[in-house]
Amino acid sequence: AQTVTQSQPEMSVQEAETVTLSCTYDTSESNYYLFWYKQPPSRQMILVIRQEAYKQQNATENRFSVNFQKAAKSFSLKISDSQLGDTAMYFCAWLSGNTPLVFGKGTRLSVIA
Amino acid sequence: DVKVTQSSRYLVKRTGEKVFLECVQDMDHENMFWYRQDPGLGLRLIYFSYDVKMKEKGDIPEGYSVSREKKERFSLILESASTNQTSMYLCASSSSGQGKNEQFFGPGTRLTVL
Repeated sequence: AQTVTQSQPEMSVQEAETVTLSCTYDTSESNYYLFWYKQPPSRQMILVIRQEAYKQQNATENRFSVNFQKAAKSFSLKISDSQLGDTAMYFCAWLSGNTPLVFGKGTRLSVIA
Repeated sequence: DVKVTQSSRYLVKRTGEKVFLECVQDMDHENMFWYRQDPGLGLRLIYFSYDVKMKEKGDIPEGYSVSREKKERFSLILESASTNQTSMYLCASSSSGQGKNEQFFGPGTRLTVL
């Protein structure tokens, strides 16, 4: 069975600094997708960034970027120039084909002014 | 603007009651999902559906059932609510289209069973 592991239950970062959230996964599939979702306090879960496994280039969305290491099965999220609005739970997730997402247990990120 | 809506943000029920949680999406998505979210446990899949009248068990289906009579609506049913079902329930939907597998989430229903 596929598993997704987020080893950092909680993290904090100073405003304007850079922070990296870790995620590792285990799969025998060769073609799959990886996602980072953000869940702000009392607000809806939204997609931050996605990566297709067959693409070697790391995905980037404004201040959010990933470091995708396929051989190491690692998929970390880097947030640059952290803002107070980045305070949230962040979930790493995996899927292949039409299967349901497999989620990690989440990392609670606090951005400190 | 794409949208997944859930019938209630907060719900309080008594032990033994039958509870219905409704989810509606307006994106014509084939796939719909129900998760529960608990601190330290992340999101756990309860049931999912790939088409009308189809359902598949997820990781923790015990104590729950689902109904999908229309494409846009996916209901989660707690046949006899128990205190250990107090949780946040999240509904999501996605397309079956190639490469269009992002899941869109509803706002969640925080259920308390007394």
